[in-house]
Amino acid sequence: QVQLVQSGGEVKKPGASVKVSCKASGYTFTNYGVTWVRQAPGHGLEWMGWISALNGDTNYAQKLQDRVTMTRDTSTSTAYMELRSLTSDDTAVYYCARGGRDWSYWGQGTLVTVSS
Amino acid sequence: QSALTQPRSVSGSPGQSVTISCTGTSSDVGAYKYVSWYQQHPGKVPKLLIYDVTERPSGVPDRFSGSKSGNTASLTISGLQSEDEADYYCCSYVGSYTLFGGGTKLTVL
Repeated sequence: QVQLVQSGGEVKKPGASVKVSCKASGYTFTNYGVTWVRQAPGHGLEWMGWISALNGDTNYAQKLQDRVTMTRDTSTSTAYMELRSLTSDDTAVYYCARGGRDWSYWGQGTLVTVSS
Repeated sequence: QSALTQPRSVSGSPGQSVTISCTGTSSDVGAYKYVSWYQQHPGKVPKLLIYDVTERPSGVPDRFSGSKSGNTASLTISGLQSEDEADYYCCSYVGSYTLFGGGTKLTVL
């Protein structure tokens, strides 16, 4: 069965960076891209970007493109999302999801808290 | 890249039908057939209800249906049930980026 398992919650100070992982299983990793979506507490879903698991091509949300990097490791079927220069506005649950256009399979979410 | 516009809340009684609208522009919702809808219960992962405007993944009841007219997409839930009470999000894929709506809270009275 398809599974996406994300790394555990993180607490970071303002200005720091965070790297969240998303390990895929149950399907051929390079056949699908991985999308990252975040949700601030009490707020809606926000698309962050997408990475092709096949060749590493990426598309990022305009507002994040200077601070976010998405990568993948095909040897371990794992996708990564790194966000730099964190502020309190980046406090959110971060989700990975399989695919680029619509998402039936999601990770369990990773809570990133930015606090001094 | 502005968010799609959804009503903040809708409500209905059990057995009734409700429709949630999702308004974009001729550059996103109006230009592509890639509108999807997600249901999210509090503290849970979003669940895909509709993709490609009208398609339902296997396992999603046919009480949920999607449509689109011009720059506005809609999700209709018929035969409302108490478990339908949740947040609903529309989403429009436009190639190099994707937009979400702000979300609609559905209350089953």
